[in-house]
Amino acid sequence: ETVLTQSPDTLSFSPGERATLSCRASQSLDSSYLAWYQQKAGQPPRLLIYGASTRATGIPDRFSGSGSGTDFTLTISRLEPEDFAVYFCQQYGGSPLYTFGQGTKLEIK
Amino acid sequence: QVQLQESGPGLVRPSETLSLTCTVSGYSIDSAYHWGYIRQPPGKGLEWIGSIYPSGSTYSNPSLRSRVTFSVDTSKNQFSLRLTSMTAADTAVYFCARLYNGYQPRIDHWGQGTLVTVSS
Repeated sequence: ETVLTQSPDTLSFSPGERATLSCRASQSLDSSYLAWYQQKAGQPPRLLIYGASTRATGIPDRFSGSGSGTDFTLTISRLEPEDFAVYFCQQYGGSPLYTFGQGTKLEIK
Repeated sequence: QVQLQESGPGLVRPSETLSLTCTVSGYSIDSAYHWGYIRQPPGKGLEWIGSIYPSGSTYSNPSLRSRVTFSVDTSKNQFSLRLTSMTAADTAVYFCARLYNGYQPRIDHWGQGTLVTVSS
């Protein structure tokens, strides 16, 4: 099983700042198989990024994804108030077919 | 637009079977997507339960495989999950979702989720 570890568990930033979230895989991944989701309280996750760097439909360009191998990053260039949420990375392939990181909570400083 | 809506009991007794149905609107499930379930215990992370392709092919999490069954009803544009031998550890919000398993796989549409509590 490929384990995804996100760090840190919580990040504190002010609106307007740049945030970088990390996702590390226990074994090398095809970058096509890495996605990121945003989840707000009481809501389902929303797809942000797939294929490590492709923004999903309707996602603002302040969100960007990068990385390869075992290290992947989600960057939010200028935080807006609505960006404070929990973020999950997810990989596809292997067994189980889909696994998720434990999540990083982005909170307002 | 694609919308998914879960339906089923909010409370299940220990050892009983959970049955959930997901109704899809705005898109035919008889298409090139998988349809599946992901769950999230209160305050915790996400766990993929499994998914089904309209042809009937299924994929499931090895940790749940012996307890899970999926089915599809294309005439009603619905798909369903059965999870047997429920315990308190199965208490979670259950989401149904559309999954693309081709190039750059992703889970691109989710239902709102339904909380299932296992308690006597």
